[in-house]
Amino acid sequence: AQKVTQAQTEISVVEKEDVTLDCVYETRDTTYYLFWYKQPPSGELVFLIRRNSFDEQNEISGRYSWNFQKSTSSFNFTITASQVVDSAVYFCALSSRSNTGNQFYFGTGTSLTVIP
Amino acid sequence: SQTIHQWPATLVQPVGSPLSLECTVEGTSNPNLYWYRQAAGRGLQLLFYSVGIGQISSEVPQNLSASRPQDRQFILSSKKLLLSDSGFYLCAWSRRGGGADTQYFGPGTRLTVL
Repeated sequence: AQKVTQAQTEISVVEKEDVTLDCVYETRDTTYYLFWYKQPPSGELVFLIRRNSFDEQNEISGRYSWNFQKSTSSFNFTITASQVVDSAVYFCALSSRSNTGNQFYFGTGTSLTVIP
Repeated sequence: SQTIHQWPATLVQPVGSPLSLECTVEGTSNPNLYWYRQAAGRGLQLLFYSVGIGQISSEVPQNLSASRPQDRQFILSSKKLLLSDSGFYLCAWSRRGGGADTQYFGPGTRLTVL
């Protein structure tokens, strides 16, 4: 079975604080892919990052960074020096080659509010 | 570059009325296409996906149906809407082929059934 858990339902931080969004996944596949999406109030899901199971290097993109650890089946997302524009719902997702039609398994999302 | 369109953006329909939501993709060929629903509470539920014209797979038995009359067009329909069909409907596309390619989402349609 494949599953993604985002235990944090809602998080509030004050602007300029750092915040980490947790994502834990379950899969029996050896080749799989992990994703993060941002859903601002407008509703559209915006793709942020894709990671494959063979690449455990952490990635940094501006204020965003991702920590992939296969040992703990986690793919956490950190926003440094948060800004009001970071307020959104963030989704973690999992897919693998065995998924017919490239199905994604989404977590339930973490709602982030950045307070000015 | 690829773009994905959905219309209408918002829709208010009475219970029992029909529904037709449209999704089109530009700038790519032979995409995989998906319909998701997001009810209040944020969870994304995959409704249908299609790997080609006329090929539709349903994930959840329900009051809805999907069709793919053209390579880059995906339509979500219902003959009679239920109150429980209210929600935010998102269309997505990905490149066809092996491997879990990134899904790219459209702007969504917000449906309210009264």
